[in-house]
Amino acid sequence: AQTVTQSQPEMSVQEAETVTLSCTYDTSENNYYLFWYKQPPSRQMILVIRQEAYKQQNATENRFSVNFQKAAKSFSLKISDSQLGDTAMYFCALNNQGGKLIFGQGTELSVKP
Amino acid sequence: DTEVTQTPKHLVMGMTNKKSLKCEQHMGHRAMYWYKQKAKKPPELMFVYSYEKLSINESVPSRFSPECPNSSLLNLHLHALQPEDSALYLCASSQWTGEGAEAFFGQGTRLTVV
Repeated sequence: AQTVTQSQPEMSVQEAETVTLSCTYDTSENNYYLFWYKQPPSRQMILVIRQEAYKQQNATENRFSVNFQKAAKSFSLKISDSQLGDTAMYFCALNNQGGKLIFGQGTELSVKP
Repeated sequence: DTEVTQTPKHLVMGMTNKKSLKCEQHMGHRAMYWYKQKAKKPPELMFVYSYEKLSINESVPSRFSPECPNSSLLNLHLHALQPEDSALYLCASSQWTGEGAEAFFGQGTRLTVV
């Protein structure tokens, strides 16, 4: 069975600071993808960043970067220079053949002014 | 156009009503999905359509009936729902159902069953 675990239900960070959200997963597949999705109060899920399991290099997208530790099955998200608009629910997700996204329980991030 | 459009945004229905949720995308995606999401919980996959054919049904009760009339449209027909079916229903699409395909989500329909 494939699982995704986010152990931090809530986190807060001051504006302009850096925060790291944790995610661990379990899969027996050799090839898979990992994602971080953001869901603000507007409800729309938005892809933040994507990592291919066979790529060693950690993915980055502007202020967002991941620390992908394949052996440890860990996939954390670092948000630098946090902005008020980063306030949202963040979901870590695992995807392989078939199109099924397996989500973690989510981390609710509040960015405080 | 990278939008997935869902209508209506809000829906209140009685347990004896029949209603439909609609989803539309014009990105040429060949995979479309319905998810159900309770407050502060992750989305739960309900159905997957690939090339207009139902490829995954996650043991969803028959009171939910999906339909994919063409590659751009996805409907979810609702009948005899229960109050516990109240939730946010999210539609998503992706280029294909293979690993790594980015899913684009709509804003959802907030459904309340009374």
